Order: sequence, then C-alpha cells, then structure tokens
Amino acid sequence: NAGVTQTPKFQVLKTGQSMTLQCAQDMNHEYMSWYRQDPGMGLRLIHYSVGAGITDQGEVPNGYNVSRSTTEDFPLRLLSAAPSQTSVYFCASSPGRGRTEAFFGQGTRLTVV
Amino acid sequence: DQQVKQNSPSLSVQEGRISILNCDYTNSMFDYFLWYKKYPAEGPTFLISISSIKDKNEDGRFTVFLNKSAKHLSLHIVPSQPGDSAVYFCAARTDSWGKLQFGAGTQVVVTP
Repeated sequence: NAGVTQTPKFQVLKTGQSMTLQCAQDMNHEYMSWYRQDPGMGLRLIHYSVGAGITDQGEVPNGYNVSRSTTEDFPLRLLSAAPSQTSVYFCASSPGRGRTEAFFGQGTRLTVV
Repeated sequence: DQQVKQNSPSLSVQEGRISILNCDYTNSMFDYFLWYKKYPAEGPTFLISISSIKDKNEDGRFTVFLNKSAKHLSLHIVPSQPGDSAVYFCAARTDSWGKLQFGAGTQVVVTP
C-alpha cells in the first residue's frame, strides 16, 4: 500500500534552473495539494487540486506551477529556482468532500544555491 | 498573517506524565481541527481531529479539547511515551475539500 509517493527525496538546484517535483497517490483521492515547510512557519499551502483538470492557488503560489491531468498525479514545477525556494516540500492527498484527513508523502528536501 | 498559532515551540515531559499542547486560532469560520505528528525525514501523519460542533474527542491516549469561545484547542497525551517524541502540528480546515492552515509546530521530547 504505497499511499503518497514523492520523488526525488533530495535535490540541489542552481539559481535559475527549473525542475519538477513528482507526486503520485494510489488511493483514488480527489483532493491533492502541495505544501512547503520552513522553520518556524509550519506548512504553507502552495497549490491544490480538487480533481483532474482543476487546480487553484494556495497561500504561497508564486514561482510554482501545477497541473492535474490524472487523478493519481500532481506534479509541482519550479519555473526558475530561487534561494527563497529552499525548503522541504510535501505533497498530500485526501478523499475530499468533507473527509479532511490528509495523507502526506515523505517530502522532498530542496536546496537552491 | 498566521490564523493558526502554536506559541510553544518546544515541550519536554517525563515518560508517563501528561503532555499538553496548545493551539490558538483567529478565524471563526474554521469548522474542523486536526493534529498531525511528524518524525524527522518523514511526512506528517494524521493523529486526531475534532469538529467545531464538539468540545472533546478521544482516541486512546490522545484527547483533543476545543474551546470555541476562546478560539483555543489543546491536545493531551496521557501517558506520554518515548515514541511520542516528535513535532506536533495543529491544523484547521478552511473548506470542505480539505484546505488546511497549519500552526508552526511544537517539538515534544519525552524523557525517560
């Protein structure tokens, strides 16, 4: 039972590079989201999706793009990495429609130099 | 502006004693509250939740209390065990789909 799988676990980028963080879930959940965790700030919502083809911005969307072509996958794209995007990124999924308990992936630790 | 606040960044408690973690919120529209536990290098895992129409929810050693008038909730862990050493996040739901706002977290250390 894989749950939510994130790849890669670690990544170092140079300023200006782009990359995609992958997220996949096998629970047929409608709702998926991306958070970033920074010291002293908890988890902040970047983007979310309530189903295939539907995405919306969260609290801190600047510098990130998402798409949701299938129920299972929700990749997060960094368009031009900046040092301020150094963080730990978590993907989460939940059944939605009133069932809020989210399942999180193991996280991706990203460093931008 | 953070609408969910955990003002204690850390808590140390002896094994067997009670751990009490506190969380305050400012948005009266929150209708569902959750606690997550996080070990290093892992994702947060769901621990316990409470609806805004209740004032208490219990699950084994974990109890969450909600005081709506004070916009305050707390998590009690009794008795505390070494495996409870982790970061605990308080979260509040902003819509029925599950958009969550998180507090900054409290690091709990349970000592023998």
